[in-house]
Amino acid sequence: EDQVTQSPEALRLQEGESSSLNCSYTVSGLRGLFWYRQDPGKGPEFLFTLYSAGEEKEKERLKATLTKKESFLHITAPKPEDSATYLCAVHVSGNTPLVFGKGTRLSVIA
Amino acid sequence: GAGVSQSPSNKVTEKGKDVELRCDPISGHTALYWYRQSLGQGLEFLIYFQGNSAPDKSGLPSDRFSAERTGGSVSTLTIQRTQQEDSAVYLCASSLGQPVVELFFGEGSRLTVL
Repeated sequence: EDQVTQSPEALRLQEGESSSLNCSYTVSGLRGLFWYRQDPGKGPEFLFTLYSAGEEKEKERLKATLTKKESFLHITAPKPEDSATYLCAVHVSGNTPLVFGKGTRLSVIA
Repeated sequence: GAGVSQSPSNKVTEKGKDVELRCDPISGHTALYWYRQSLGQGLEFLIYFQGNSAPDKSGLPSDRFSAERTGGSVSTLTIQRTQQEDSAVYLCASSLGQPVVELFFGEGSRLTVL
């Protein structure tokens, strides 16, 4: 069974304190790994797609990386507005839907 | 439209009643997905449409759940004889289709069954 596990479940950072969120997966044939941001009461908002091991993508203070077993979302010098739940999802093959992890709830304190 | 639109945004109903949730995808998006998000849980896949057909209904929790899509656009998720465990946020997403590219989500419909 395809599985996606995110850690930690919750993370509290001081403003400016860099850290990383982890998404590990056990799937039979990864076609793509997706990162989303979700604010309370809102739908998930697309951040990145990674397709192959070694790939990296950046957007402002966020950088996503991918290996054969996991992905990291690195947050550099976070600000309070980065507070949100970050979701990871995998696309395995064919017409299968995205499989989501439970997310990491990030709080950045000023 | 500019984004995925869902209605109602909030629905409170009594156990045993039927509810309909509506999703209007981004214009031109051929693929449409329904997910369910319960408190403390990840997004649970329910059903997927490509055009008007549903190749994958594997996530529907029971035969009380059904969905349809007409004209390759608007979709309706219907829950019959609602139960308290159906309480959740129902999220709709659309995409340009296969191969899978990023999904664009609506704001969700929060369902509370009393």
